[in-house]
Amino acid sequence: DAGVTQSPTHLIKTRGQQVTLRCSPKSGHDTVSWYQQALGQGPQFIFQYYEEEERQRGNFPDRFSGHQFPNYSSELNVNALLLGDSALYLCASSSRQSLAGDTQYFGPGTRLTVL
Amino acid sequence: AQKVTQAQTEISVVEKEDVTLDCVYETRDTTYYLFWYKQPPSGELVFLIRRNSFDEQNEISGRYSWNFQKSTSSFNFTITASQVVDSAVYFCALSEARTGGFKTIFGAGTRLFVKA
Repeated sequence: DAGVTQSPTHLIKTRGQQVTLRCSPKSGHDTVSWYQQALGQGPQFIFQYYEEEERQRGNFPDRFSGHQFPNYSSELNVNALLLGDSALYLCASSSRQSLAGDTQYFGPGTRLTVL
Repeated sequence: AQKVTQAQTEISVVEKEDVTLDCVYETRDTTYYLFWYKQPPSGELVFLIRRNSFDEQNEISGRYSWNFQKSTSSFNFTITASQVVDSAVYFCALSEARTGGFKTIFGAGTRLFVKA
């Protein structure tokens, strides 16, 4: 049973650039959430996708946008990168159909460094 | 407003000691869910347990146990006879249903060091 996968593992960008991170959910899951985890902190909720629409959003600027595809995979896009965007970006998937529909399973993350 | 507080930033114990990780939460909802996740050095968050707000029964899973008390808004996690492999950052999280989905907020985490 394939778990949540993310790509790339690591990424280095410079300020002002744009980045796209990718996530494939666990088999059978239809909901994808994205989190930003700065060093030494807990994950911060960015947004959540279900049925190809953004359903929930945390306190992140519009520079952060996303997409969900018909196969439930998802992308996180960040425009005009700032130094403060350097973090571990985590993708989590869950199944709306399960009794524990909000139990999220996380991928290994993408480490983004902005120089 | 949602809030999760893990007051212990770091805990260091010697192998075989018992250790309790504290978690206090704030919510206005009557229906909510609490979670514990483990984050080893590899970085991937590993799901440990889910508890809903209507089930205050304590749970034990091997060396792990959880104590949920709504009266004090706490959901504490105890590791019995700790092992070096338990060394990790542990996060407590609160999830609330919202229109169209749910929102989850994490605490700042507690870093546990287990020394041999």
